[in-house]
Amino acid sequence: ETGVTQSPTHLIKTRGQQVTLRCSSQSGHNTVSWYQQALGQGPQFIFQYYREEENGRGNFPPRFSGLQFPNYSSELNVNALELDDSALYLCASSSTGTRYNEQFFGPGTRLTVL
Amino acid sequence: AQSVAQPEDQVNVAEGNPLTVKCTYSVSGNPYLFWYVQYPNRGLQFLLKYITGDNLVKGSYGFEAEFNKSQTSFHLKKPSALVSDSALYFCAVRDDQAGTALIFGKGTTLSVSS
Repeated sequence: ETGVTQSPTHLIKTRGQQVTLRCSSQSGHNTVSWYQQALGQGPQFIFQYYREEENGRGNFPPRFSGLQFPNYSSELNVNALELDDSALYLCASSSTGTRYNEQFFGPGTRLTVL
Repeated sequence: AQSVAQPEDQVNVAEGNPLTVKCTYSVSGNPYLFWYVQYPNRGLQFLLKYITGDNLVKGSYGFEAEFNKSQTSFHLKKPSALVSDSALYFCAVRDDQAGTALIFGKGTTLSVSS
């Protein structure tokens, strides 16, 4: 098991609502990335945070936003939820000590939008 | 744009037989390639990575991968499959346009029968 934790484990929301997902990174890691994994698909990159600043963003609309805190934990916020937002949301932490370090994933948050 | 392709949705092998899970990549510069495994209701676990150097990369749980630049492939292999290897396998390449984010393939389900 990695040292990356996510909460909650499962979440059910309705269309139009807002949701906040949380991630605690592995000790010593200063970079957090968020991915969306729809059913039967590979994870898709949402955005990455390094030292509390967004450090890259995938092809997701602005209603997907995030934060990173001084202790390197992170939040993913999604506004105006749509049915297609139903997915497993994965958080991954890494160290930028070198540019090629692997990412360590948490167990994910399963979001269901009704 | 960088991408990876996993041409097989499912691979079936008998326990004790060698296994191969295929991956091809497309990158504009040097490829930084990864393999991850996902068990049901779990996050992704890192298996191995290729950054530079030897074309045969050894990783966790007895897995290895062969990097072939001329064929732009990075196939995952194991000499003797175990039933416990049954899982979903993802190949990924680092996205140079987005920090250290990863671009994943759609995944290959490995089923090992006893």
